[in-house]
Amino acid sequence: DAGVIQSPRHEVTEMGQEVTLRCKPISGHDYLFWYRQTMMRGLELLIYFNNNVPIDDSGMPEDRFSAKMPNASFSTLKIQPSEPRDSAVYFCASSLPGQGRMNTEAFFGQGTRLTVV
Amino acid sequence: LAKTTQPISMDSYEGQEVNITCSHNNIATNDYITWYQQFPSQGPRFIIQGYKTKVTNEVASLFIPADRKSSTLSLPRVSLSDTAVYYCLVGRLSGSARQLTFGSGTQLTVLP
Repeated sequence: DAGVIQSPRHEVTEMGQEVTLRCKPISGHDYLFWYRQTMMRGLELLIYFNNNVPIDDSGMPEDRFSAKMPNASFSTLKIQPSEPRDSAVYFCASSLPGQGRMNTEAFFGQGTRLTVV
Repeated sequence: LAKTTQPISMDSYEGQEVNITCSHNNIATNDYITWYQQFPSQGPRFIIQGYKTKVTNEVASLFIPADRKSSTLSLPRVSLSDTAVYYCLVGRLSGSARQLTFGSGTQLTVLP
């Protein structure tokens, strides 16, 4: 498996534009996470899905952010409209269902570096 | 959610054993302790996970005391390539909940 695939790797956009980040999780993984990383705030969990259903979106900063998972092999994180403070590296990760209460191993993608000017 | 506290940075020399301790006083019964490693411009990578006592794999050991309010990641004989940020986190595992919350991390610098 190629691992978690994110696209694009880099995105530069102007303030006010819509930005869509994409993620393909590892096949067979039924958990998908979206994280944001900045120097100031570190790694923040934005939202995660289980079997394509959003379980917890309490980390989504505001209504400008939305995430979807239309099927088991694809997820998007959309920012509309984008603002300079959204500049960060956005990571997608996926994990197996685990056995009983075990398994907190998540596999991360390479990230998308977003710059909003 | 259980908050984690770990040192901001540590220095070590090649060949030494490194121990990074993390505090998580409010850990819940369903929480597992997990450590990740992150290199610049890469996503975090899983190192080790445990619930209590000691866990060892091919790259590290994890020591968890009985009260589970802290944990120590032990890296044997570090090399320059072990220079990275190490995150301690507690993972909530309850039903479908899999909330993995990262702390601020420890920047480990291995010197020659």
